Amino acid sequence: AQSVTQPDIHITVSEGASLELRCNYSYGATPYLFWYVQSPGQGLQLLLKYFSGDTLVQGIKGFEAEFKRSQSSFNLRKPSVHWSDAAEYFCAVGAKYNAGNMLTFGGGTRLMVKP
Amino acid sequence: DADVTQTPRNRITKTGKRIMLECSQTKGHDRMYWYRQDPGLGLRLIYYSFDVKDINKGEISDGYSVSRQAQAKFSLSLESAIPNQTALYFCATSAGGARQSSYNEQFFGPGTRLTVL
Repeated sequence: AQSVTQPDIHITVSEGASLELRCNYSYGATPYLFWYVQSPGQGLQLLLKYFSGDTLVQGIKGFEAEFKRSQSSFNLRKPSVHWSDAAEYFCAVGAKYNAGNMLTFGGGTRLMVKP
Repeated sequence: DADVTQTPRNRITKTGKRIMLECSQTKGHDRMYWYRQDPGLGLRLIYYSFDVKDINKGEISDGYSVSRQAQAKFSLSLESAIPNQTALYFCATSAGGARQSSYNEQFFGPGTRLTVL
């Protein structure tokens, strides 16, 4: 069974600083990988996804993530954080060739942005 | 208009009451899901449905039941609510089939915040 670990429960960064949110997954084959963002009082919005091909994927709002098979990681990055990026971020892994389209989520990382 | 809607958005109820949370979607997706979100635990799958006649238990189905009334509607019921069912509940949908562009991508509703006193 797949699993996802987000080691950082809370992260605080200054506005304009760079950001990296960590995600490690466990899965026996090549996974589908996702990052979602949940703004306060909102549902989950897909930031980006990795299915295959280029291991550096670009998403919305200036985010990118890099798939590193050797490290079983899919870390999310942004070069310059804006106050509006304060939210909770979830990494998720989907099982390939799984007819159920099942996703397993990490516990989330809450990002706070200092002015 | 939102593609995935949930009603109610907030609900406070008492222990032992029966509660129904509703989800509707206009995306034309076959697959629908119910999750609950608890702090530090992320989202955990309660039930999922591949089509109207196919309903399956997820990771944490005890204490919950579901009904898929139509392709577009998927309801979650708490037959006798208890305080540890206080959580944020999300409905999600996804397309079926093996098209890589949509495979596994799930679209979420805004959530229902449920408090059981």
